[in-house]
Amino acid sequence: DTGVSQNPRHKITKRGQNVTFRCDPISEHNRLYWYRQTLGQGPEFLTYFQNEAQLEKSRLLSDRFSAERPKGSFSTLEIQRTEQGDSAMYLCASSLGTGGVNTEAFFGQGTRLTVV
Amino acid sequence: AQKITQTQPGMFVQEKEAVTLDCTYDTSDPSYGLFWYKQPSSGEMIFLIYQGSYDQQNATEGRYSLNFQKARKSANLVISASQLGDSAMYFCAMRGQNTGNQFYFGTGTSLTVIP
Repeated sequence: DTGVSQNPRHKITKRGQNVTFRCDPISEHNRLYWYRQTLGQGPEFLTYFQNEAQLEKSRLLSDRFSAERPKGSFSTLEIQRTEQGDSAMYLCASSLGTGGVNTEAFFGQGTRLTVV
Repeated sequence: AQKITQTQPGMFVQEKEAVTLDCTYDTSDPSYGLFWYKQPSSGEMIFLIYQGSYDQQNATEGRYSLNFQKARKSANLVISASQLGDSAMYFCAMRGQNTGNQFYFGTGTSLTVIP
C-alpha cells in the first residue's frame, strides 16, 4: 500500500455540471476525512467517516455536496450543480484510531477542481 | 472552538541554517494534539511531527523539533540545517479531545530555502 490515493488529480468542469471524486485510503485505516483547501488558506474540514458511517459534517458542506463510504473502504465526494466558488483543492485523509488525539492523518495528493 | 494562528505568511532561510515557524493555538479542550504538516507544490500534505498536550518533553523527529510552550499556547516548529527540499508550505494543526475528530489547520507559512 503506497498511501492515500485520490482520483482524478485534476478536474475542469463547466458551471452547473456534477463532479465526483474518489479517495482510496490506506487499507487498514478506519477513519476517513475530506477537506477543502482554497488558495492561500489551510485545509477546511468537510466531513468525516468512521468505517462506513458518516459521523460529522461541516456547515461548509451544502446540500449540493454528498459523500459516501460504502463498506468502509473507498470514499466518493460528489458535488452537484457546481459553482465557481467550488473551485478548490479537495483533500482526502485517513487515519487509524479509536478516539485518541494523537493519531496523525495521512493525506492524499488532492483533486484540484476548476469550475469555469 | 479551536483556532490555529500562523502569523508568518512567508519566511526565508539560508541553506544549512535553522528556522523557526510560529504557531499559536486556542482551545478549551483539556487534552489535545498538535501536528505540523509540510505541503510541497505537488499538493500532498506530509506529516512531520506530533506533540501531545500532556507530553512532558518537546517532540523531535530528525531535523524537526517542536518548541511547545503550553502556558503560552504556542507550538513552534524548528527546522535545523535547512535543505533546498524544505522549501514548501508548512501548516500547524490541532485536534481536540472534545471537539470531534477533525483537524483544525492554520493558514500556513511559505518557507523558501536560499542556496
